[in-house]
Amino acid sequence: GQNIDQPTEMTATEGAIVQINCTYQTSGFNGLFWYQQHAGEAPTFLSYNVLDGLEEKGRFSSFLSRSKGYSYLLLKELQMKDSASYLCAVRVWNYGQNFVFGPGTRLSVLP
Amino acid sequence: KAGVTQTPRYLIKTRGQQVTLSCSPISGHRSVSWYQQTPGQGLQFLFEYFSETQRNKGNFPGRFSGRQFSNSRSEMNVSTLELGDSALYLCASSLPGTSGKPYNEQFFGPGTRLTVL
Repeated sequence: GQNIDQPTEMTATEGAIVQINCTYQTSGFNGLFWYQQHAGEAPTFLSYNVLDGLEEKGRFSSFLSRSKGYSYLLLKELQMKDSASYLCAVRVWNYGQNFVFGPGTRLSVLP
Repeated sequence: KAGVTQTPRYLIKTRGQQVTLSCSPISGHRSVSWYQQTPGQGLQFLFEYFSETQRNKGNFPGRFSGRQFSNSRSEMNVSTLELGDSALYLCASSLPGTSGKPYNEQFFGPGTRLTVL
């Protein structure tokens, strides 16, 4: 079966650091993706991990441990515009685009 | 460069009817994927088309079908609509696998919000 878990909601303060966790159990694994989705808008790509370790991209970093089926997205220097849902997705097959998405974590950044 | 476009943006149908949604990918993108997004189930993969062929399929009933045309534009069709089909339907396009990156970033359209009454 395919299962991805994320916390439903998180709250953090402007300027702070927040870590959004994602655990997965999928029938295949060919990369883990993080997407950001603002309310009423389409998801936009944030990061990609296929090997264990940390990938850094500006204020955003993503970590992967394949042996543990675990990833996290780290957001630094939070800004109000970071209030959004963050979706963890596993590409389960290396032929084409076949993704399993987690339920998403709704992050609220407070002043 | 124009983004992914989807039409219509909003649609209201009644149970038993059928509906066709359209997606125009970014120019040069040949892979088009369709997703259903609901508050309860999140984002669920429907199917992917590449070069007019269905390459991957999610776990949805046969009432959900799609096709892709030679210009990479894609349509999805839902027949015999049910109340539970009310959702945001998202289309995403990406470059072919030879884009030079280790992954193919998907670019999502704004979605079609379908309401079934």
